[in-house]
This record gives sequence, structure tokens and C-alpha cells, in this order.
Amino acid sequence: GAGVSQTPSNKVTEKGKYVELRCDPISGHTALYWYRQSLGQGPEFLIYFQGTGAADDSGLPNDRFFAVRPEGSVSTLKIQRTERGDSAVYLCASSLLGTSYNEQFFGPGTRLTVL
Amino acid sequence: SQQGEEDPQALSIQEGENATMNCSYKTSINNLQWYRQNSGRGLVHLILIRSNEREKHSGRLRVTLDTSKKSSSLLITASRAADTASYFCATDIIQGAQKLVFGQGTRLTINP
Repeated sequence: GAGVSQTPSNKVTEKGKYVELRCDPISGHTALYWYRQSLGQGPEFLIYFQGTGAADDSGLPNDRFFAVRPEGSVSTLKIQRTERGDSAVYLCASSLLGTSYNEQFFGPGTRLTVL
Repeated sequence: SQQGEEDPQALSIQEGENATMNCSYKTSINNLQWYRQNSGRGLVHLILIRSNEREKHSGRLRVTLDTSKKSSSLLITASRAADTASYFCATDIIQGAQKLVFGQGTRLTINP
């Protein structure tokens, strides 16, 4: 597709469960980002990939959060032992690395609800 | 933590009027960008202004940047009902750094 896609669009889970959120970036974009947005707030950075490697994971809140991008394209954000405070919209973005303009293209997000 | 603060938090105007939103940030920046978000989901990039630029235009949008005051403004002229959305400023702080730091946004409502 032409844009960034994310699946699922909505995920409802119970406290303590494990969830995986998927992001398909724009073809050819080497940089991929995950953000989290709570209600009424701006997105907050979680992690950034250059190719297959996590170049900056300083935004991950704790070790329950982990993300991978094994082939440098699709990325999966994994959350273990979910807590109610993890409820938010998780946004993925990609950009074409190497340009001086850091324009990031965002997907529609996954709304995660932890009951 | 949030880098920027948008002002006002909410703005309601009549269709056809101009809308101005302001953003302040705390640290030195490389670029500042404005994004739009409908219904709390995906963000759409509107415009990017570099730290060495003072003003930029794109269609009905005008962005200014004052690095001495660490502030930016977004002006939407001749507003339309379809402009109703949340608007966020975002900065990339360090040269070459890739992550964006967003403000809390301005919720803009255009009344027909």
C-alpha cells in the first residue's frame, strides 16, 4: 500500500496478558518509529529503528515493552504482562532516512485497551 | 516528557475566520514540524520549518519560527469545517536525531 499500515486497529485485552502490535512501513523507508498517545496528550516517543537495529529505545517505559524489526521492514511492538496504564493509541511512523527533512509518515494507530 | 506546549489548548471559530495556534519549546531544535490529527488517530504532516528559517507558507497555512523565543505559530487562513482537528507541533532536538517530541496539541473546532 501507499501508506503506513497498522494491525489490529483495535485490541482489547485483560490485565496480565501479552499483546503484539504490527506496523507495515512505507516501502523503501528505512527508518521506523513507535509512539504512544494517551487521551488528550501528544504522541510520546518509544523506539526508533534504522534498518533492523533499534537506534534509540530510550522511550520504552520499562522492560515489559520490546520491539523488533527482523528484516528491516515490518515491525512488531510486544508488550508483556499488560497493565491498565498501557491503554493508549500506539502509533507507528516511517521516514526515508538520509534526507535532511525528517518528515515522518504515520499510520492510523492501534487502540489498545487493557481491562 | 513533552517538549512543547501549544496555546491555546482549544480554539473554536467560525468558518472563514483565521485560526492561529502557538507552540513553545524548551531546548534548541533542528527542525519544527506541525501535524494534524483527526479523531485521535493517524497524524498527517502539514509543514516543516528549519531552525534557520523564519517563515514558511503552504497553501492556506503559514508557519513562523522564532528561535530566540523558542516559539512557533501556525496560521490557517479562511478556515473550513474540514479543518476541525487537533494540531500538534513537534521538534527533533538534536542534529541527526530522528525522534520527534510533540506538544500536547490544540483542539481546533470550525463552526459552519
